[in-house]
This record gives sequence, C-alpha cells and structure tokens, in this order.
Amino acid sequence: GENVEQHPSTLSVQEGDSAVIKCTYSDSASNYFPWYKQELGKGPQLIIDIRSNVGEKKDQRIAVTLNKTAKHFSLHITETQPEDSAVYFCAASRMGDMRFGAGTRLTVKP
Amino acid sequence: DVKVTQSSRYLVKRTGEKVFLECVQDMDHENMFWYRQDPGLGLRLIYFSYDVKMKEKGDIPEGYSVSREKKERFSLILESASTNQTSMYLCASKPGQGPSNYGYTFGSGTRLTVV
Repeated sequence: GENVEQHPSTLSVQEGDSAVIKCTYSDSASNYFPWYKQELGKGPQLIIDIRSNVGEKKDQRIAVTLNKTAKHFSLHITETQPEDSAVYFCAASRMGDMRFGAGTRLTVKP
Repeated sequence: DVKVTQSSRYLVKRTGEKVFLECVQDMDHENMFWYRQDPGLGLRLIYFSYDVKMKEKGDIPEGYSVSREKKERFSLILESASTNQTSMYLCASKPGQGPSNYGYTFGSGTRLTVV
C-alpha cells in the first residue's frame, strides 16, 4: 500500500523567512495530494491541495509543488508569520484511499 | 459554517469500559472516517464508511467497532477500553460517492485517556 514520508519532523524559522516541508510517496497511482494544518487543540484543516495533472499551485503565501517522476511534493510558505506555527500534514490519495505523513511541527519565531 | 462535531473534547475512562465516541457532520457528506493520532505516528485510519449502514476496516481496527445508522452520524465504539487506546481520536468527512479524491473536513478531536 501507499507509504508517505514527511521531512523534517520539526522546523523552526524566523518570522519573515520561508519554510519548506517535503513529502515522498510510494504508490505511483496516487493522484491527489492535500496539505493540512493543525493548530493546537484543533483538528487538521485543509489548506491547499494539488492533483496529479498539475505541477504547482499557489494560494497567497503558500504553494505546493509536485514531481510525479520523483514521487515527491512540497509545501512552501513564504513570509512566515507567528500564526503559521502549527503541525502540518501531507497526504497522498489514490481512489479515495488517503495516507498521511507523520507531520511537521513548524515554529515561527517573532 | 459547515462542520464536523465530536461530542466530547476530553474523556477519561476506566480499563474494560465500553466507550462511545460520537461524530456528527452537517455537510451531507457520504463518506466518514475515524482516525487516531499519536505522536510520531501521524494519523492512522481505524474505520471508514462510504454510506449509511456501510463500514470498512482501516489499518488498525482491532479493539474498535463503528456504527452508521444515519448519514450524518458516525460512532466509534471501544468494546473494552485498554490503556493502549489512550489517544487523540479524529473524525472526518468528505463529499463524493465512494472512493473519490476530495479533501477531508476534520472535527476538533476527542482526547481519550484510559486509566
């Protein structure tokens, strides 16, 4: 079955810097890749997603890139702010079978 | 505001008790899921349902069962709670028929402690 690996497990950046979180997946048939943000005491919230027919997608300060050949995808956050501090999960899905990475705890220091 | 509501934020139960975790969604979604979240292990799928009265085992169904009598409600049951079931439990739903690729809407979670 699908296996999703996520790196790094923790990431600390200064406010205003960029943050990048990377994920790899094993099932070449996976075709949907969402990213979730989980703030303290809350459930994960979908922040951006990308489908396999697209290489890059951007929404304001966040962007996701997908390399199907290498089977990896990344989340990029620019101009980070303290409210970006949270745990971020990547996921890969094939026919609705969604597998999650282990999560990255991002800390943005003011 | 559409949402997934989990009935309890925190629960403390004794070993051997039967525990019910309730989840309700108001988005008319066909698909509902139960995950447990543990540090370093991410989200692991316990059970899911693509339709009323339908259920499928996920990756770690042992010690759990589910019930979906109505479209909007998906209950997770711990038949005889054990300490290794101490965890954060997350309910989620998504639209689409059957195995379709859409993002999930998660509830806020229930932190269960079994003593």
